[in-house]
Amino acid sequence: DAKTTQPPSMDCAEGRAANLPCNHSTISGNEYVYWYRQIHSQGPQYIIHGLKNNETNEMASLIITEDRKSSTLILPHATLRDTAVYYCIVRVGNNAGNMLTFGGGTRLMVKP
Amino acid sequence: KAGVTQTPRYLIKTRGQQVTLSCSPISGHRSVSWYQQTPGQGLQFLFEYFSETQRNKGNFPGRFSGRQFSNSRSEMNVSTLELGDSALYLCASSSEGHHEKLFFGSGTQLSVL
Repeated sequence: DAKTTQPPSMDCAEGRAANLPCNHSTISGNEYVYWYRQIHSQGPQYIIHGLKNNETNEMASLIITEDRKSSTLILPHATLRDTAVYYCIVRVGNNAGNMLTFGGGTRLMVKP
Repeated sequence: KAGVTQTPRYLIKTRGQQVTLSCSPISGHRSVSWYQQTPGQGLQFLFEYFSETQRNKGNFPGRFSGRQFSNSRSEMNVSTLELGDSALYLCASSSEGHHEKLFFGSGTQLSVL
């Protein structure tokens, strides 16, 4: 799976949009971009994933650049409960099983 | 639907002992994978079971082993515990394992003294 690079930490004001970047310049054509987050003392939680089109669900939006070398996770109206470590993961989208490679992630602090 | 359940939540062992951790996946899920999380190494993949067969294995010594039962419940075992095995052990399940989203449990916090 391709390697990802994320900033180690970010701050965001409550109620504002949180934009978390991820660089995956070595991504292959069949690799998907996944985002998970981990709130303190809990297991990681799936947020969203995509291949090349932008995706949106009830939690967030995922914007993938046209060359697919980077992506941005957007939390439209961040709340204090969104304070967590956010992981960007690139993995092959075939029947290869569930081996996820987690990097260091971005520690997002939402402040009042 | 109940989530992924891991037991026990906390465990304290001494060096040289062995330990067995349990994971009950979400009903209907056939894939169970295990991860180790430490402050120094972060989240690392241990192994994955699908329909009672180990499908993937991470880069851990043979002291780490696992199995999956016919009801998809899984156990992992660590023998001859070392201080460095102190970690949060997380279990995740998914329905098929084909770029499916994983559902994680809250983990078992193992402390080796």
